Amino acid sequence: EAGVVQSPRYKIIEKKQPVAFWCNPISGHNTLYWYRQNLGQGPELLIRYENEEAVDDSQLPKDRFSAERLKGVDSTLKIQPAELGDSAVYLCASSFSLQATGELFFGEGSRLTVL
Amino acid sequence: AQSVTQLDSQVPVFEEAPVELRCNYSSSVSVYLFWYVQYPNQGLQLLLKYLSGSTLVKGINGFEAEFNKSQTSFHLRKPSVHISDTAEYFCAVRGTGGGNKLTFGTGTQLKVEL
Repeated sequence: EAGVVQSPRYKIIEKKQPVAFWCNPISGHNTLYWYRQNLGQGPELLIRYENEEAVDDSQLPKDRFSAERLKGVDSTLKIQPAELGDSAVYLCASSFSLQATGELFFGEGSRLTVL
Repeated sequence: AQSVTQLDSQVPVFEEAPVELRCNYSSSVSVYLFWYVQYPNQGLQLLLKYLSGSTLVKGINGFEAEFNKSQTSFHLRKPSVHISDTAEYFCAVRGTGGGNKLTFGTGTQLKVEL
């Protein structure tokens, strides 16, 4: 079974440029998460989707960040314009929401460097 | 809301020695507890989880953890580490109610030396 797939793995951009990350969750997982992991820190939730609905986006900086999951499967996270402080690893995860275990399966992440 | 504290940012240990990585949590509701491992340039992989029942939980790669409700702890242990265990380890907590997010600690870097 394929795991969570993310692309690109690495992205280097100059500040004020836009950037987008893509995530394809595990087949059948209706819950999708975007986390941001700063260097030396644990992941922090940006947004959580149940199917195509964003049910928790309280930590998403909405002035520059946006996300979508139009068909309830894959998702895109966008930053526009990027700032130096956005340099981090952006992790996508998925889970089967009807399971009470709460186990998340993570992709390998997209490492963003903003110059 | 829940929070997780991992007191040790780095733990050096010699190969074949035992190791304990500490994790304490705070929550006003019942929780599920997890340990994830992250190898360099990779995503997080689940090591083990506590949902209910026995407080001693065994996971992959010979790791185990013990849930202590009175001390609100979930320390990770391995009796004999290997070089390949060198990685970042994250403790995480989630409320048992639906919709509660998974909250991570800041991580502990385990460095196994020869």
